[in-house]
Amino acid sequence: DIQMTQSPSSLSASVGDRVTITCRASQSISSYLNWYQQKPGKAPKLLIYATSSLQSGVPSRFSASGSGTDFTLTISSLQPEDFATYFCQQSYSTLPTTFGQGTRLEIK
Amino acid sequence: QLQLQESGPGLVKPSETLSLTCTVSGGSISSSSYYWGWIRQPPGKGLEWIASIYYSGSTYYNPSLKSRITISVDTSKNQFSLKLSSVTAADTAVYYCARHNLPSNSYYMDVWGKGTTVTVSS
Repeated sequence: DIQMTQSPSSLSASVGDRVTITCRASQSISSYLNWYQQKPGKAPKLLIYATSSLQSGVPSRFSASGSGTDFTLTISSLQPEDFATYFCQQSYSTLPTTFGQGTRLEIK
Repeated sequence: QLQLQESGPGLVKPSETLSLTCTVSGGSISSSSYYWGWIRQPPGKGLEWIASIYYSGSTYYNPSLKSRITISVDTSKNQFSLKLSSVTAADTAVYYCARHNLPSNSYYMDVWGKGTTVTVSS
């Protein structure tokens, strides 16, 4: 299976900050990388698919990039509702799919 | 608006079989564009994909769980189901059902159920 590693595991930031989360794959996954946001007690929500495509309804302060093995999710100006846990997911080839361990974004 | 809802027992005894159902509303499970999957999240941990099924019955299983999993679909009820046998405490988790597009390159899970907590304990 392809292993996904996120860094950092947790991050403290303030409202208005620019934040970047990294996801690394154990082998090249081309551009087949998705990002999800999960708030406590809630299901994950799709933010970005295929590396950089914003899911409908997701604010434009979210952006992402990368290819091969290294990917990033950036929030340009943190809002109070953005404090959550973020997961990356590889969708290279067919199933199985795997997720990163998550990055918890906390208020400083 | 498409909605998914998980249902099933919240408590299962060790060595028994966990059974969950996901009911799809606001759309048809027989869509040619989507698979329907199960994902779980142990307390305080990350997400693990379990299995996915197409309306025709085509399936994909997580190799690490394959020997214990059965996934099935009932198009007449717009439901799909998961059975996980010989459960242990390690199977305690929140179980989500989700929709995803066809599992060629660039699939993603765009609609999720709210999740159901399953505890394995005697």
